Amino acid sequence: AQKITQTQPGMFVQEKEAVTLDCTYDTSDPSYGLFWYKQPSSGEMIFLIYQGSYDQQNATEGRYSLNFQKARKSANLVISASQLGDSAMYFCAMKPKFFGNEKLTFGTGTRLTIIP
Amino acid sequence: DTAVSQTPKYLVTQMGNDKSIKCEQNLGHDTMYWYKQDSKKFLKIMFSYNNKELIINETVPNRFSPKSPDKAHLNLHINSLELGDSAVYFCASSQGEPSPLHFGNGTRLTVT
Repeated sequence: AQKITQTQPGMFVQEKEAVTLDCTYDTSDPSYGLFWYKQPSSGEMIFLIYQGSYDQQNATEGRYSLNFQKARKSANLVISASQLGDSAMYFCAMKPKFFGNEKLTFGTGTRLTIIP
Repeated sequence: DTAVSQTPKYLVTQMGNDKSIKCEQNLGHDTMYWYKQDSKKFLKIMFSYNNKELIINETVPNRFSPKSPDKAHLNLHINSLELGDSAVYFCASSQGEPSPLHFGNGTRLTVT
């Protein structure tokens, strides 16, 4: 069974600072994908970034980067130069990479608040 | 040009009623999902369909019945609604690997 752990229920960060949201996972699947989603107060789920378990390099998407440490089973999201619009819930999620069990399992989320 | 659309956005109903939530995706994806987000924001998968076939059925009461008339649609029918069914229900779709799930905007169901 897969498990995703996000240990920070809430974080407050000053605008323009970088922020790291923690995510650890547990799985017995040899191949998997890791995802981060953002859920603003308006409620929609926005995909941010993806990391494959066999990818050699850490994923980056604009101000988002994923600090992937496979041996530690961690996939932390780093947001550089935070903005007020980054205030939202952030969810880490994992999906095994084989057909027949395409279940995306979510962590409990971190509520990020950016302070002006 | 909405990718995954679900209706209605809000649904308020009384205990014991039957209601449906509709979902459509125009992304050409083969796989569709229903997720439930509870009051603590926890997201849990309910069902997954691939090309109209059920592939994931989590421990969901059989009052919940998904139906996929074609691969672009996945509807959720709920019988005999209970107070504990109050939540936000998200439809999503994906295609192949590595593919993120694309979510609809959610349906907030309130059972009174």
